[in-house]
Amino acid sequence: DTEVTQTPKHLVMGMTNKKSLKCEQHMGHRAMYWFKQKAKKPPELMFVYSYEKLSINESVPSRFSPECPNSSLLNLHLHALQPEDSALYLCASSQGQGANTGELFFGEGSRLTVL
Amino acid sequence: GENVEQHPSTLSVQEGDSAVIKCTYSDSASNYFPWYKQELGKGPQLIIDIRSNVGEKKDQRIAVTLNKTAKHFSLHITETQPEDSAVYFCAARGRSLTGTASKLTFGTGTRLQVTL
Repeated sequence: DTEVTQTPKHLVMGMTNKKSLKCEQHMGHRAMYWFKQKAKKPPELMFVYSYEKLSINESVPSRFSPECPNSSLLNLHLHALQPEDSALYLCASSQGQGANTGELFFGEGSRLTVL
Repeated sequence: GENVEQHPSTLSVQEGDSAVIKCTYSDSASNYFPWYKQELGKGPQLIIDIRSNVGEKKDQRIAVTLNKTAKHFSLHITETQPEDSAVYFCAARGRSLTGTASKLTFGTGTRLQVTL
């Protein structure tokens, strides 16, 4: 069982909806990540938080808004999405970032469908 | 930014045979190379990793080799079993788009099928 918990497992939303994906870890990790994975493709990095501060934004459209309320929680707020944003959204955590990254632990993902 | 290529895209082997998956990377500053296994409906799970100061690492039936000069690294699975069937991703940790932080870039994935 993964130690990174993501909710919801499945989400269907319209293009005008506002929804959020949530991620939680209790391993004491100080870096948390959002990845997007399309079918039969590798995960693509979206955001990295290190010590609760956004350290990497891979030029993600503003309709995706990350939030890190504390070191254990990571949210991804979704607004005005497009059908092409439908994908598996993976959360991950690691001990640190940069040279101290270590292993990334992934959650099982939230499968998003945008109608 | 980093670019990671992975081959083959699909690989079918008989149980007990060996499987080899190869990756190349572009950023000479990359220094960490993990391999992930992703089963259907699950997130990727680390199976082995290697750092740039090491040429080879082995963990039971799994081994990884790294050639820094040629910028390629490989995953070797011996005595394959049906439960090894999954998608395998290599990755390289290099510089982000802004060059200010390190980021993990994944290869395109290899679907391994182990047949009885």
